[in-house]
Amino acid sequence: QVTLRESGPALVRPTQTLTLTCTFSGFSLSTRGLCVSWIRQPPGKALEFLARIDWDDAKYYKTSLQTRVTISKDTSKNQVVLTMTNMDPVDTATYYCARVVSGLYPLIDDWGQGTRVTVSP
Amino acid sequence: QLVLTQSPSASASLGASVNLTCTLTSRHSTYATYAIAWHQQRPETGPRYLMRLDSDGSHTNGDGIPDRFSGSSSGAERYLTISSLRSEDEADYYCQTWATGIVIFGGGTKLTVL
Repeated sequence: QVTLRESGPALVRPTQTLTLTCTFSGFSLSTRGLCVSWIRQPPGKALEFLARIDWDDAKYYKTSLQTRVTISKDTSKNQVVLTMTNMDPVDTATYYCARVVSGLYPLIDDWGQGTRVTVSP
Repeated sequence: QLVLTQSPSASASLGASVNLTCTLTSRHSTYATYAIAWHQQRPETGPRYLMRLDSDGSHTNGDGIPDRFSGSSSGAERYLTISSLRSEDEADYYCQTWATGIVIFGGGTKLTVL
């Protein structure tokens, strides 16, 4: 059974750096074709892709955020970490990690429950 | 630039069926061959994977997703059909695919069950 769980601070001050950890089980990120993505959802808005990391350590970022976002993995710990610098109130959102099955069409097939992050002075 | 377009809202009666549409739009016609995933997000909960839907209309439901949820395709359109609607089907539904390595979402359709 695949599970993903996000963890990190619920409150971040403007200009600070956010660090979120996705801890997963039921699969290994050393398995060819598997990836993990971070997605966020501001209150009342749609889902927004942030970053993706693949089994071979390939990384992809939302173009408009790539100067602020970094994704990394620790395969031995079954964890993927997202850091986002220079946080702003507009970054207030629920942050999700999700498993992506790569191949011809990379698709999400499992989600974490999400962690709510508020950016406020 | 690939865009997934969904109607913002839909409604149907309890016990009826409803079709939700996701349209793949791009300058490149090859996007019409893309597979997508459908995801459900009930109020105040995280998204849940429903199914993979290929361009030929074949679909594979996720674990525990009932057969009431099915998919079909026609050209650049991808459909999610929910039959025998229940109150718990009231949710936001998102289609998702990829482009140049990044994940792309439609804007979501809010389904109201009357």
